[in-house]
Amino acid sequence: DSGVTQTPKHLITATGQRVTLRCSPRSGDLSVYWYQQSLDQGLQFLIQYYNGEERAKGNILERFSAQQFPDLHSELNLSSLELGDSALYFCASSVYPGSYEQYFGPGTRLTVT
Amino acid sequence: EDKVVQSPLSLVVHEGDTVTLNCSYEVTNFRSLLWYKQEKKAPTFLFMLTSSGIEKKSGRLSSILDKKELFSILNITATQTGDSAVYLCAVGADSNYQLIWGAGTKLIIKP
Repeated sequence: DSGVTQTPKHLITATGQRVTLRCSPRSGDLSVYWYQQSLDQGLQFLIQYYNGEERAKGNILERFSAQQFPDLHSELNLSSLELGDSALYFCASSVYPGSYEQYFGPGTRLTVT
Repeated sequence: EDKVVQSPLSLVVHEGDTVTLNCSYEVTNFRSLLWYKQEKKAPTFLFMLTSSGIEKKSGRLSSILDKKELFSILNITATQTGDSAVYLCAVGADSNYQLIWGAGTKLIIKP
């Protein structure tokens, strides 16, 4: 158990809908990262937050957004969902951005039908 | 452009064999190289290497970094079926504090 929690574990929704994925980092970690992993694909970095501020953006679609709250938990919002958004979404955390050692949550499996 | 390349992409061996997985990189302002193991769930952290020539070891797994030749290897000795997984290599660079990920090596251990 990495200490990073994510909810829900599974999510099934229809195209065009909007969902919110939630992540709580390990105790003491200030930086949160979101990744997408499609079937048999590598990890795609989406976005990073540090202490409530957006720090870096990767291949994140405009339909996706995220935020990190004062208690350091983070939410990833996915809207206007398409079939191709079906994937595993991981949250990871690290102490601070330059510490690089990231610990991953169990992931949310999103299925768009 | 920063990149991390892992080889082989997949590998099938028998229980008890020793395997070596490779990770080469080209990044600006290298800071660290990390290895993760991913079974059918989240990646789990194995090692972080920052200095050349210093072996990190955990049980049957070991890893070493060569900053001159820009690569790292992950060795697994006396493999077991539980070692079957995708092994991911990632590199941290000062340029953006993100990890740059390789595509992974899928390792299958046959009984």
